[in-house]
Amino acid sequence: GAGVSQSPSNKVTEKGKDVELRCDPISGHTALYWYRQSLGQGLEFLIYFQGNSAPDKSGLPSDRFSAERTGGSVSTLTIQRTQQEDSAVYLCASSSGLAFNEQFFGPGTRLTVL
Amino acid sequence: GENVEQHPSTLSVQEGDSAVIKCTYSDSASNYFPWYKQELGKRPQLIIDIRSNVGEKKDQRIAVTLNKTAKHFSLHITETQPEDSAVYFCAAMNQAGTALIFGKGTTLSVSS
Repeated sequence: GAGVSQSPSNKVTEKGKDVELRCDPISGHTALYWYRQSLGQGLEFLIYFQGNSAPDKSGLPSDRFSAERTGGSVSTLTIQRTQQEDSAVYLCASSSGLAFNEQFFGPGTRLTVL
Repeated sequence: GENVEQHPSTLSVQEGDSAVIKCTYSDSASNYFPWYKQELGKRPQLIIDIRSNVGEKKDQRIAVTLNKTAKHFSLHITETQPEDSAVYFCAAMNQAGTALIFGKGTTLSVSS
C-alpha cells in the first residue's frame, strides 16, 4: 500500500513568513510523529499524535510551531514568523499505535528560510 | 529527559569487514531501541530493533546487543558490502512512549 507522504517536498520562504507542511500517514495508522532533521544532525522529536488523545507537544522548540491532526489522519505542521534557524528537513512518521511498533517515515519537506 | 549519544560519527571499512556502532542512553526506563538506516537523500528506514527484555537480536548480517545495566546498545554489521554505505541512527523510546530520541548518526562508508 501507499507509504507516508509529505508535501511540499521543498519549500523556500522568506524570514518572517508563515509556512504549512502537510503529512498524510499510512491509512489506519493511529500514531503520527513530526521530527526535524538539521544538516548533519540526528532527528529531533517535535510532536506526537495518538488517536483522539491530547498530543505530546513537548518537543516543539517555540510557540511559533504548532501542529494539528484533523479527523485522525492528515496532519499539518505550521511554523509562524519563520527564522533562518528553522531551515531543516521536516520528517513525518506514522505507526500502528503501540510504542514498540515500527515508525514509517515520509520523504520529508526540505524547508529553506532566506 | 532521554539523551542518546552515538559513536563514532564516521566509520570507514573495507568490503567484507565488520562494522560496529555504539550508543548510550540516559533514561533507565527506556525499553525500546530501534536502528534506522538513511541513504543519501532518502527517508530513514528501520533495519532492526530490540526491546529491553532481550540482550541480543540478529537478522542475517545485522545484529544488535543491549546492556541495560550499562545503558548501552550496539549495532553490528558483518561482511559489509558497498550498499551498506549510509548514515545509521540509533534511537531510544522515551519514557512516555511518545517519541524516539535519536543519536546524531554514524556515516558508514564501505569501500570495495
